[in-house]
Amino acid sequence: DIQMTQSPPSLSASLGETVSIECRASEDIYSNLAWYQQKSGKSPQLLIYYASSLQDGVPSRFSGSGSGTQYSLKISGMQPEDEGVYYCLQGSKYPRTFGGGTKLELK
Amino acid sequence: QVQLKESGPGLVQPSQTLSLTCTVAGFSLTSYNVHWVRQPPGKGLEWMGVIWNTGGTRYNSALKSRLSISKDTSKSQVFLKMNSLQTEDTATYYCARDEAYYGYTPFDYWGQGVMVTVSS
Repeated sequence: DIQMTQSPPSLSASLGETVSIECRASEDIYSNLAWYQQKSGKSPQLLIYYASSLQDGVPSRFSGSGSGTQYSLKISGMQPEDEGVYYCLQGSKYPRTFGGGTKLELK
Repeated sequence: QVQLKESGPGLVQPSQTLSLTCTVAGFSLTSYNVHWVRQPPGKGLEWMGVIWNTGGTRYNSALKSRLSISKDTSKSQVFLKMNSLQTEDTATYYCARDEAYYGYTPFDYWGQGVMVTVSS
């Protein structure tokens, strides 16, 4: 199985601050990666797919990059509504595997 | 409007079988795959399995011996059955879809989730 190692586990950011979350895959996943945001008590929402494509309706302050085994999600200018837990998910092979999550809070 | 909605019992006794239904609207199960994902309280997400548009299935090897996913395309419903439940199966269970395609497509819509507690 492909292991997805996500870091950091938690993060606190000030309003307007730029934050980055990383995911490292145990093997090349060929950009078959998505990022999700999960707010408390809600289901995950798709932010980024194919590593860098922005889902319709997602604010442009969210961006994704990476290739091979290393991927990152960047939020350019933290907003209060960005609080939540962020997960990466690889879609290169079955079983699909998630990163462990990053809890993002507003400082 | 695309919708997925999970339903099922909120409480299951240990060693019993869990049966959940994912009822979809706004798209056809002939064009989309449906996955099941679960999340124990306060923990991360775990992929459980998928039923492809063709009706084929793939399961997480950790659950394979206990898990079965099926569907009724005419009723727009996908079913999950998992036997021999234990307390560690307590979780919120989600269904999510991706587009049937040769290659990867992301889970773009998820259900609201259903909380299942395993307890006597």
